Amino acid sequence: GNSVTQMEGPVTLSEEAFLTINCTYTATGYPSLFWYVQYPGEGLQLLLKATKADDKGSNKGFEATYRKETTSFHLEKGSVQVSDSAVYFCALSDHGRGSTLGRLYFGRGTQLTVWP
Amino acid sequence: DARVTQTPRDKVTEMGQEVTMRCQPILGHNTVFWYRQTMMQGLELLAYFRNRAPLDDSGMPKDRFSAEMPDATLATLKIQPSEPRDSAVYFCASGAQRRDGTEAFFGQGTRLTVV
Repeated sequence: GNSVTQMEGPVTLSEEAFLTINCTYTATGYPSLFWYVQYPGEGLQLLLKATKADDKGSNKGFEATYRKETTSFHLEKGSVQVSDSAVYFCALSDHGRGSTLGRLYFGRGTQLTVWP
Repeated sequence: DARVTQTPRDKVTEMGQEVTMRCQPILGHNTVFWYRQTMMQGLELLAYFRNRAPLDDSGMPKDRFSAEMPDATLATLKIQPSEPRDSAVYFCASGAQRRDGTEAFFGQGTRLTVV
């Protein structure tokens, strides 16, 4: 079946530190992969995506590369800011047939706190 | 700026009462999801629809929950009767299902408290 596993939080960093949040997946086919971000009191927002192997998604200084050989999609940022404090979710969208087509599978989320 | 609209934003109700949450998906999106978020369970998929037809509602307690799309501009999630354990944030999301997957856009959620 399909599932997403991401590193347990919380993650606490100082401003300008390097960030990595690990995400691995299992899928029956070749899914699309996403990172979503949730700020306090809000819904999830799409941060970046990659639709096929070796694609790199990027947005707001965040990057993630779709690695089929390691079934991973780790989120990175070279220099975090206080405003990056949020919960980050890794997700996959199934390209399968029938009822799973287009379904989104989410990891449990990783809380990031950045201190000044 | 197209967005998913959920109402109400907050709801406090007594145990045993019926609760109805509404969602207006983004115009043109053919897929609608309902998620529940709690600290303990994280984000759980309750149901999802494509072209207004339910595809999967296996995550939803059938005895008290029901989800419908009476038309393309409205999705509803009902709980009857509500229980304290239903207290959570409920999110609706919509997306356009494409060959490379579905990119979902989330509403701001309905925070439900059952006392």
